[in-house]
Amino acid sequence: DAKTTQPNSMESNEEEPVHLPCNHSTISGTDYIHWYRQLPSQGPEYVIHGLTSNVNNRMASLAIAEDRKSSTLILHRATLRDAAVYYCILRDVGGTSYGKLTFGQGTILTVHP
Amino acid sequence: ETGVTQTPRHLVMGMTNKKSLKCEQHLGHNAMYWYKQSAKKPLELMFVYNFKEQTENNSVPSRFSPECPNSSHLFLHLHTLQPEDSALYLCASSQVGTGRQPQHFGDGTRLSIL
Repeated sequence: DAKTTQPNSMESNEEEPVHLPCNHSTISGTDYIHWYRQLPSQGPEYVIHGLTSNVNNRMASLAIAEDRKSSTLILHRATLRDAAVYYCILRDVGGTSYGKLTFGQGTILTVHP
Repeated sequence: ETGVTQTPRHLVMGMTNKKSLKCEQHLGHNAMYWYKQSAKKPLELMFVYNFKEQTENNSVPSRFSPECPNSSHLFLHLHTLQPEDSALYLCASSQVGTGRQPQHFGDGTRLSIL
């Protein structure tokens, strides 16, 4: 499976934008880029995914580099409830992987009031 | 409310006990998953079921026995566990097949082995 690299931790202030980077230099053409987050004492929660184009939804935006070797999850206005571990994951569309998720260590986001 | 319910939320058991973890999804999905999350380690995929058939066993010891009687229910039967099996066990569901479909997770069962 192609691997991703994320910073171990990041900090932000409440109501400011947060840019969470992810490097995936060995990404293949059939890999989707997924982001999940895990709040304390909860299971992971789907945030957003994309293939080539930038994506927006109610939770966040995903900016994908033109060569697809990196991406950035953007939280437009961080709140205290956004404090979580954020995971960047590549999911293969094809083969027999059945789209399984392979989690790394993720980025611990701390949001200060 | 994620649509995936796991019971019990907490379980303490001795090494010789037999217990089962239960997962139920109300999302109409046809794939279900068990993950293990140990302290200080990433989530590890254990089992995958597609349309009630097991399609992946990630080298999980036989003391963990999954069961998927239908697409909405998934069990993990536990027998003669070891202290290192203490962890958060997470269930997830999704539509089968493509890398586009997100997985929906329950909040897990926190398992402690005495």
